[in-house]
Amino acid sequence: EAQVTQNPRYLITVTGKKLTVTCSQNMNHEYMSWYRQDPGLGLRQIYYSMNVEVTDKGDVPEGYKVSRKEKRNFPLILESPSPNQTSLYFCASTFLASNEQFFGPGTRLTVL
Amino acid sequence: QQQVKQSPQSLIVQKGGISIINCAYENTAFDYFPWYQQFPGKGPALLIAIRPDVSEKKEGRFTISFNKSAKQFSLHIMDSQPGDSATYFCAASIEGYGNKLVFGAGTILRVKS
Repeated sequence: EAQVTQNPRYLITVTGKKLTVTCSQNMNHEYMSWYRQDPGLGLRQIYYSMNVEVTDKGDVPEGYKVSRKEKRNFPLILESPSPNQTSLYFCASTFLASNEQFFGPGTRLTVL
Repeated sequence: QQQVKQSPQSLIVQKGGISIINCAYENTAFDYFPWYQQFPGKGPALLIAIRPDVSEKKEGRFTISFNKSAKQFSLHIMDSQPGDSATYFCAASIEGYGNKLVFGAGTILRVKS
């Protein structure tokens, strides 16, 4: 089944404790992206990658890191999480020649 | 500053009625306008999309109306059903600009049976 998977789905952590949210897609998509969803703000792009070893900042990159060592994986790293990073996070992927983005099921993160 | 403004924030419609969600954009370079549908606990999924060379696109009960001069577009859901209850996001992008989507704030639709 073609899909984007994220792990974990739910995470509660404390301020300053490094964490990684994994994202993997099995559709051979070149483009991958991370969004955060907050009430009243919609989805805002954090980082994106147009191919292996090519990443760039989105609209709200502060406090986040990403890497793209393999085409299928695009982990989101929070080196020192803070309460304002409490949010619902989505990973998405697509072909560069396509406009339709496929989203993962989301990761709900709470930072205490 | 939101480049795509969406209204209303929430909407309650009776079963069989018409649901209308509106979006306005600022950047005239946008040339692709999708709507995404999100059910609770799920990621958004593409519902329907339009390019500015047409004023309307219909897929089943879902229609996008597009007004290029006003920089507005809207989603109409005809004969709304309880199964349509979801959050709807409009978005905009520039083709060839790295697939970057700019999303509206979202509309929570509830269809009452």
